[in-house]
Amino acid sequence: AQKITQTQPGMFVQEKEAVTLDCTYDTSDPSYGLFWYKQPSSGEMIFLIYQGSYDQQNATEGRYSLNFQKARKSANLVISASQLGDSAMYFCAMREGPLNNTNAGKSTFGDGTTLTVKP
Amino acid sequence: DTAVSQTPKYLVTQMGNDKSIKCEQNLGHDTMYWYKQDSKKFLKIMFSYNNKELIINETVPNRFSPKSPDKAHLNLHINSLELGDSAVYFCASSHIRSGGIEADEQYFGPGTRLTVT
Repeated sequence: AQKITQTQPGMFVQEKEAVTLDCTYDTSDPSYGLFWYKQPSSGEMIFLIYQGSYDQQNATEGRYSLNFQKARKSANLVISASQLGDSAMYFCAMREGPLNNTNAGKSTFGDGTTLTVKP
Repeated sequence: DTAVSQTPKYLVTQMGNDKSIKCEQNLGHDTMYWYKQDSKKFLKIMFSYNNKELIINETVPNRFSPKSPDKAHLNLHINSLELGDSAVYFCASSHIRSGGIEADEQYFGPGTRLTVT
């Protein structure tokens, strides 16, 4: 079974509007971490936001927020006030297990969602 | 002041050749990784080293051999290159960030586009 599922291969959003990119995950481990990364057409992978399974509040980083619904095992990325520079591929990833030296960074990535921001 | 660097950026070679990709990070991180991203953009972890010790070795052909001479370097050597090895290879590093919310996000290098002809 897929550990990370991103059901939207492609999404379009109008500039200045908000957009939600979906991510569901599958794990039986009570301790895990969820990540979102951005890959623009230039190819580099850029870390955006992190949510720990025990974190009480939804993570936010500037215009990025993570809508974490633990019971539904979803970790959707919300981008507010979209900009043309947000056009990129977005990957959701998960680390299973507690955050320690053995598990740190051992992430499984989803297939990605391509976001296109229209002017 | 590049955080994670890889060389070369592009590598074009013929089937059967042996090639290496080098990676260096100046972030002081303990853990480094190699990922393969195929033409459909699927990203798969290949190897992970923590303090020069191998901790993740996914199902990767023996032709791929990582080497970590020190904490800041993780090189990837590929023997007998095949057409299917054509991909973008990313090096990454991470550490356990503390002080507030602990996290272990990864910092990626710019990627090496390997083309095997």
